[in-house]
Amino acid sequence: EVLLVESGGGLVQPGGSLRLSCAASGFNISNNYMSWVRQTPGKGLEWVSVIYTGGTTYYGDSVRGRFSISRDNSKNTVYLQMGSLRADDTAVYYCARGQGPAFDYWGQGNLVTVSS
Amino acid sequence: DIQMTQSPSSLSASVGDRVTIACRANQNIRNYLSWYQQKPGKAPKLLIFAASSLQSGVPSRFSGSGSGTDFTLTISSLQPEDFATYYCQQSYSTFRTFGQGTKVEIK
Repeated sequence: EVLLVESGGGLVQPGGSLRLSCAASGFNISNNYMSWVRQTPGKGLEWVSVIYTGGTTYYGDSVRGRFSISRDNSKNTVYLQMGSLRADDTAVYYCARGQGPAFDYWGQGNLVTVSS
Repeated sequence: DIQMTQSPSSLSASVGDRVTIACRANQNIRNYLSWYQQKPGKAPKLLIFAASSLQSGVPSRFSGSGSGTDFTLTISSLQPEDFATYYCQQSYSTFRTFGQGTKVEIK
């Protein structure tokens, strides 16, 4: 069974940093591209970042230069390092497995709150 | 970025109704279009990929159509468990974008 379990969220002050983890089971992350998607409270979905099997990474405009995606194949875990956090980064962050053109499995979501 | 626009933003329907949700891209995305269902407090669930391919385990009352810029998600006979928010998402560009969502409510 494919499972994605996120951790590392919580309350952080503006300008602070936080690292999210996404532990995968039931498949090897080295065989799939992996993304982070966020959802602001009561609003829609926003794609944040992707890491491809070859290691290439891309970021959405709103986080580029502040966030960094990485993976540890030995731990079967994907990370999102978030820095220079702002109030508008407050959201539920999901990791998602890419399969072909879509995200076929999602984690349960992890709330990040940026507030003083 | 490719902009995705869904219509309507919300709709009210009864069990057994046929429901159609539209999604439009601001440029040609061929068939790189997926549909997701999200219930409150839960992660999105993949329903349709490649515009019209049904994800494994998804009931056949869900179907997708379209190509280029205009796409449609159809629920042939709405069931109680289908009341949720639906999102389209393009994967033509590496920079994936979602529609704003369509909330399907009980009439």
